[in-house]
Amino acid sequence: AQRVTQPEKLLSVFKGAPVELKCNYSYSGSPELFWYVQYSRQRLQLLLRHISRESIKGFTADLNKGETSFHLKKPFAQEEDSAMYYCALSAFGNEKLTFGTGTRLTIIP
Amino acid sequence: KAGVTQTPRYLIKTRGQQVTLSCSPISGHRSVSWYQQTPGQGLQFLFEYFSETQRNKGNFPGRFSGRQFSNSRSEMNVSTLELGDSALYLCASSLDGRVEKLFFGSGTQLSVL
Repeated sequence: AQRVTQPEKLLSVFKGAPVELKCNYSYSGSPELFWYVQYSRQRLQLLLRHISRESIKGFTADLNKGETSFHLKKPFAQEEDSAMYYCALSAFGNEKLTFGTGTRLTIIP
Repeated sequence: KAGVTQTPRYLIKTRGQQVTLSCSPISGHRSVSWYQQTPGQGLQFLFEYFSETQRNKGNFPGRFSGRQFSNSRSEMNVSTLELGDSALYLCASSLDGRVEKLFFGSGTQLSVL
């Protein structure tokens, strides 16, 4: 069975401080991991995926298979980063996403 | 290019009724997925259709059903509504079903009274 855990429902960080949103997963095979973001009054959208290993809006995430984690990080938080963040998992070749319950990130000016 | 369109935007129903939600994918997209979003459970996968065939189904009771038409538009039906069905129902489309290429709609907010 696939499972994604985001332990923090709410996270507040001061502007300019580092951000880390935690995500742990459970899956017996080779997963594909994603971070989705939902800004206020906007649609859910893909932020990044582990395969691409890219940095989007200053965010990065590294897949740690040993710790089964895919934490999202940004060195310096900006006010526009305030949003709901979801970690998601998919089995390769599968057409469904298993989401975590999300973390609401608030950046304090 | 128009995005994923879901109608209606809001719905209010009473227990026991049934409801149909509609989703028009991005032009050219042949895969449509449905997700239920609630504050307690987050986003949960309902089902995925590709070329009018259901390819994948989540762990929801049989009261939840869907279909896809030849123009790729999809409908989701919930029968015998329960209070716990109150949620935001999101539709997402992609060219071929690959999750890394999903585009989400704004959702239909269903309230069951």
